[in-house]
Amino acid sequence: ELKVEQNPLFLSMQEGKNYTIYCNYSTTSDRLYWYRQDPGKSLESLFVLLSNGAVKQEGRLMASLDTKARLSTLHITAAVHDLSATYFCAVDGLWTGTASKLTFGTGTRLQVTL
Amino acid sequence: DAGVIQSPRHEVTEMGQEVTLRCKPISGHDYLFWYRQTMMRGLELLIYFNNNVPIDDSGMPEDRFSAKMPNASFSTLKIQPSEPRDSAVYFCASSLYSEPANEQYFGPGTRLTVT
Repeated sequence: ELKVEQNPLFLSMQEGKNYTIYCNYSTTSDRLYWYRQDPGKSLESLFVLLSNGAVKQEGRLMASLDTKARLSTLHITAAVHDLSATYFCAVDGLWTGTASKLTFGTGTRLQVTL
Repeated sequence: DAGVIQSPRHEVTEMGQEVTLRCKPISGHDYLFWYRQTMMRGLELLIYFNNNVPIDDSGMPEDRFSAKMPNASFSTLKIQPSEPRDSAVYFCASSLYSEPANEQYFGPGTRLTVT
């Protein structure tokens, strides 16, 4: 069974600081997805990482994928309050015959304080 | 495209009543997913369809839950009878399976409260 773990579960950080969210998964997969969820809202796709070494950046967020370590990171640079949300990583079952199905991590709730 | 559409957005019902949640996927998408989100259990996949056919319903909590997809543009999730522990936000998502990515697009969700 594919398992996806995120840490930390909750992150409180000051504006202007940098931090990293980690996403570990249990079986081989070359495809990893990051989603953002604002309170009371739906999930919005942020990044799709498709191969080992892939790096994607959007504004103050940068995501990377290391398939050998089964690890993805979401790095936040100089955080601003607007980034406060819950961030989920998800992996598909490409190598387990369920490529269409995503397994989500527990989510990391990010709170950026002034 | 309007994105994934769900109705109702909010539903409050009494224990024992039947609840039907509705979803219209993005036109042309061939996969449809139903998720449930709670504080305690996080985001859970309940069931998903490919070309209107249920593929995996192992996440459906019990026989009180059922889902159908009569055509490519409509799906329902029914709970009968409902119980307070079914209170959650239910999301529908759709995707078009294609290489290299398999991105899912989520609807706004239905917040269900069972009293």
